[in-house]
Amino acid sequence: AQSVTQLGSHVSVSEGALVLLRCNYSSSVPPYLFWYVQYPNQGLQLLLKYTSAATLVKGINGFEAEFKKSETSFHLTKPSAHMSDAAEYFCAVTISGNTGKLIFGQGTTLQVKP
Amino acid sequence: KAGVTQTPRYLIKTRGQQVTLSCSPISGHRSVSWYQQTPGQGLQFLFEYFSETQRNKGNFPGRFSGRQFSNSRSEMNVSTLELGDSALYLCASSDPGQGTYEQYFGPGTRLTVT
Repeated sequence: AQSVTQLGSHVSVSEGALVLLRCNYSSSVPPYLFWYVQYPNQGLQLLLKYTSAATLVKGINGFEAEFKKSETSFHLTKPSAHMSDAAEYFCAVTISGNTGKLIFGQGTTLQVKP
Repeated sequence: KAGVTQTPRYLIKTRGQQVTLSCSPISGHRSVSWYQQTPGQGLQFLFEYFSETQRNKGNFPGRFSGRQFSNSRSEMNVSTLELGDSALYLCASSDPGQGTYEQYFGPGTRLTVT
């Protein structure tokens, strides 16, 4: 079975500072990994995905994530936070042949201070 | 392409009633997955339909059911509503057969049970 742990339910950064949201996964087979963002009263928007190609993945809005198999991690980063980045972020895992079922982490709320 | 649409966006029901939610996937996507989002339990997988067949099911009671039509549109039904069913219900579509492993989410249906 797969699982995801997001370290830190709340992260606060200043505008212009580095954003780092942590995600560790567990999977007995090679995983597919995703980061989604959710703004209030909206659905989930895909930020980026890892599906066994390049380990450093670039997504929308300046976000990127690096797949590290040895650390079972897939942390999300952005060099410089904007006020518009304030939202809830979810890391999710699935596996080949079962991609219709995403297992999500508990989410991390990102606060950006002016 | 138009995104995933869900109707209705908001619903208020009374305990014991039943409810049907609708989801129209992105054109060409054959897989539709449903999720329940609550503050306490986070995002939980309900079930996935692919080509009119339920391909995967989460750990929810039999009161939760779904179906998919030949045009890939999907419905989810909850019978004998309980207060704990109050949640945001999200559907997502993908097309793994065409290499689209990531899921694209609709805006959700906010169900309130009183």
